Amino acid sequence: DAMVIQNPRYQVTQFGKPVTLSCSQTLNHNVMYWYQQKSSQAPKLLFHYYDKDFNNEADTPDNFQSRRPNTSFCFLDIRSPGLGDAAMYLCATSSDWGGGYEQYFGPGTRLTVT
Amino acid sequence: GQNIDQPTEMTATEGAIVQINCTYQTSGFNGLFWYQQHAGEAPTFLSYNVLDGLEEKGRFSSFLSRSKGYSYLLLKELQMKDSASYLCAVLDSNYQLIWGAGTKLIIKP
Repeated sequence: DAMVIQNPRYQVTQFGKPVTLSCSQTLNHNVMYWYQQKSSQAPKLLFHYYDKDFNNEADTPDNFQSRRPNTSFCFLDIRSPGLGDAAMYLCATSSDWGGGYEQYFGPGTRLTVT
Repeated sequence: GQNIDQPTEMTATEGAIVQINCTYQTSGFNGLFWYQQHAGEAPTFLSYNVLDGLEEKGRFSSFLSRSKGYSYLLLKELQMKDSASYLCAVLDSNYQLIWGAGTKLIIKP
């Protein structure tokens, strides 16, 4: 089945220790998104890619970086995780940007910072 | 600023009907989505409205009034598996998706 896959599902890292989360998709969608979601809050968009065009949301901290080496893969790098970065990180895709293109979400990576 | 308002939590009985409201104030409007999110899982798409009126999809229906900045999600014949959070999200003039914090729906037997 075509899908959005995230690894790992659970990640524990130490305060200040860099961590990379990965996302892959078999949908061949042009657009990929990274969201941060904390408990009982709305998903917060960190980045999105339209093909290889990178778009950084204005309020995304510099501590967060992203890479999309090809259509299928996207990575989220957290350079120096703080306790406030503990959250669920959701990767999503859509076939195109704009209009009623639904987003398909991966299962998420729950990040714990100790 | 941009704002999406939904009730934080609602409770309903199995087999009943529930309506979850969403009001929005955004810079432009290019459609409204409803997503379902079970605890600890990713959101899944339920509906998309861009024109006024009611869209029905099985037990779920979604209504939009653009002039009032208002939408609702109607769930009929509630089942225990419908216990989840329901997120309203609006596509603004820049095609950015503005998300609400979600309504946690609790279904009781």
